Amino acid sequence: GAGVSQSPSNKVTEKGKDVELRCDPISGHTALYWYRQSLGQGLEFLIYFQGNSAPDKSGLPSDRFSAERTGGSVSTLTIQRTQQEDSAVYLCASSFMFRNYEQYFGPGTRLTVT
Amino acid sequence: KQEVTQIPAALSVPEGENLVLNCSFTDSAIYNLQWFRQDPGKGLTSLLLIQSSQREQTSGRLNASLDKSSGRSTLYIAASQPGDSATYLCAVVASGGYQKVTFGTGTKLQVIP
Repeated sequence: GAGVSQSPSNKVTEKGKDVELRCDPISGHTALYWYRQSLGQGLEFLIYFQGNSAPDKSGLPSDRFSAERTGGSVSTLTIQRTQQEDSAVYLCASSFMFRNYEQYFGPGTRLTVT
Repeated sequence: KQEVTQIPAALSVPEGENLVLNCSFTDSAIYNLQWFRQDPGKGLTSLLLIQSSQREQTSGRLNASLDKSSGRSTLYIAASQPGDSATYLCAVVASGGYQKVTFGTGTKLQVIP
C-alpha cells in the first residue's frame, strides 16, 4: 500500500512568512509524529498525535509552531513568521499499535528560509 | 528521561568487512527498538524492529540484537558493501503511557571500495 507522503518536498520562503507543511500517514495508522532535522544533526522530536489529539507537544520550539490533525489522518504543521533558524528538513512518521508501533517515515519537506 | 547513545559517531571500513554498530539506552522500559538507515538528503528507511520480548532479528546481511536489561542493542552488518554507506539510527519506543520515541544521534558509516 501507499507509504507516508509529505508535501511540498521543498519549500523556500522569505523570513517572516507563514508556511504549512502537510503529512499524509499510512491509512489506519493512529499515531503520527513530527520531527525536525537540521543540517548534519540528529532528529529533534516536535509533536506526537494519537488520533486527532496531541498528548505530547513538548518538542515544539516556540509558539510560532503549531500542528493539527483531522479525521485521524492528515496532519498539518504550521510555522508562523518564519525565521532563518527554522530552515531544516521536517519529517513525519506514522505507526500503528497492531503493527508493533513500527515507525514509517515520509520523505520529508526541506524548508529554506531566506 | 530516556537517553539514547550511539557509538561510534562515524566509522570507515574497507569493503567486505563485518562490522558492529552500537546503541545504548538508559531506561529499559521500552516497547521496541528500531534500526533505520538514512541516506544523504533522504528520509529514514526502517531496517529492523525488535520487540522488547525478543533478543534478535535478522534480515539478509543485517542482524540486530537487544539486551534490555543492560540497555544495549547492536546492529551487525556482514560482508559490508559500498552501498551500505549511510547514517544508521536507532530509536526506542517507551512502554507505558504513550509511545514516546527517542532517537540516537546516529553512526555515519562509510564503506570504502
